[in-house]
Amino acid sequence: EVQLVESGGGLVQPGRSLRLSCAASGFTFDDYAMHWVRRAPGKGLEWVSGISWNSGTIGYADSVKGRFTISRDNVKNSLYLQMHSLRAEDTALYYCAKAVLYGTSSYFDYWGQGTLVTVSS
Amino acid sequence: EIVLTQSLGTLSLSPGERATLSCRASQSVGSSYFAWYQQKPGQAPRLLIYGASSRATGIPDRFSGSGSGTDFTLTISRLEPEDFAVYYCQQYGSSPITFGQGTRLEIK
Repeated sequence: EVQLVESGGGLVQPGRSLRLSCAASGFTFDDYAMHWVRRAPGKGLEWVSGISWNSGTIGYADSVKGRFTISRDNVKNSLYLQMHSLRAEDTALYYCAKAVLYGTSSYFDYWGQGTLVTVSS
Repeated sequence: EIVLTQSLGTLSLSPGERATLSCRASQSVGSSYFAWYQQKPGQAPRLLIYGASSRATGIPDRFSGSGSGTDFTLTISRLEPEDFAVYYCQQYGSSPITFGQGTRLEIK
């Protein structure tokens, strides 16, 4: 059974940093691209970032480019999102999602339950 | 960036009725790289349709997708009580990936 379990969310002040993790199991992690998608309160889904199976291709939404860094550890079957210079508008539930297609453009067949990031003073 | 517009914010229907949800793209979506998801409160999104018209594994055949270019449709032929949820469209034919803002399907 595929499982994606996010962690690392919490309450953080504007301008500070946070690192999200996603532990994957139930599939061959290093065969698939992985992504982060978020949903702000009262809003729809927003793609944040994606990384190919070998970290050779990475993409970011313009809203986070230069502030967020995606990475993965194929030995630990884990996906990460390092977030710097956090803003109030980054407040959201962050989902880890397994891609079906290679590269950074895909649809997603499995999602985690999400980890909540709240940016507030 | 391709902007996806789901024209209906909320759709109120009764169980047993037919639901038609639409999504319009600001530019043509290449090769029908288009998906639909269902999300219920407190749950992760669930993939329903990919490639504009292919049902994901385990999705009942009352769900169907159609469309190409800039206009896409999700149809639920006969609504079951468990179908009342929020539905999102997504394009993955052009970077960055984008989603529609969602349509809430509620019980009338």
